[in-house]
Amino acid sequence: QVQLVQSGAEVKKPGASVKVSCKASGYTFTAYSMHWVRQAPGQRPEWMGWINTGNGNTIYSQKFQGRVTVARDTSASTGYMELSSLRSEDTAVYYCVRAMYGGNCGDFWGQGTLVTVSS
Amino acid sequence: EIMMTQSPATLSVSPGERATLSCRAGQSINSNLAWYQQKPGQAPRLLIYGASTRATGIPARFSGSGSGTEFTLTISSLQSEDFAVYYCQQYNNWPLTFGGGTKVEIK
Repeated sequence: QVQLVQSGAEVKKPGASVKVSCKASGYTFTAYSMHWVRQAPGQRPEWMGWINTGNGNTIYSQKFQGRVTVARDTSASTGYMELSSLRSEDTAVYYCVRAMYGGNCGDFWGQGTLVTVSS
Repeated sequence: EIMMTQSPATLSVSPGERATLSCRAGQSINSNLAWYQQKPGQAPRLLIYGASTRATGIPARFSGSGSGTEFTLTISSLQSEDFAVYYCQQYNNWPLTFGGGTKVEIK
């Protein structure tokens, strides 16, 4: 069965960086692209970026351009999202999401990683 | 960026009744619309993609319709496990965007 297992909760200080991992299993990792989506408390989900896990091509939301990096390690079937220059407004649950084959909606979601930014 | 607007924000429905949720896109997104269900403390779950196709394992009481800018999610007979927040998402254009959600609560 498809599973996306994310790394654990993080607490960071303003200005720091955070890197979240997402280990995929139950399918061919490079056959499906991956999105990263975050959701602040009580807010709608917010799309951050996308990676073609086959060739490594990426697309980012302009809102996060310059601060976010999405990457993958095909040998480990793992995706990564790194967000830098953290501020309090970045406190949210961060999700990796498998993009449906042939489309861009998310058919499987990781369990989420809570990132708290606090001084 | 395509703005997605959902209505109503909250829908109070009795178990067994029908619920109709709306989603409007700021410009045409063809049929590239998905619906998700989210319960407290959980990740969203895909219900509908392509505006009207049920995802694997989704009960037939969930149906989606629409194209262009106007979309609807209908839950034909609400069960206790359906009380949750529902989000629409467009995936026609980058950046992908989500609606603000409709909370379906017990009346």
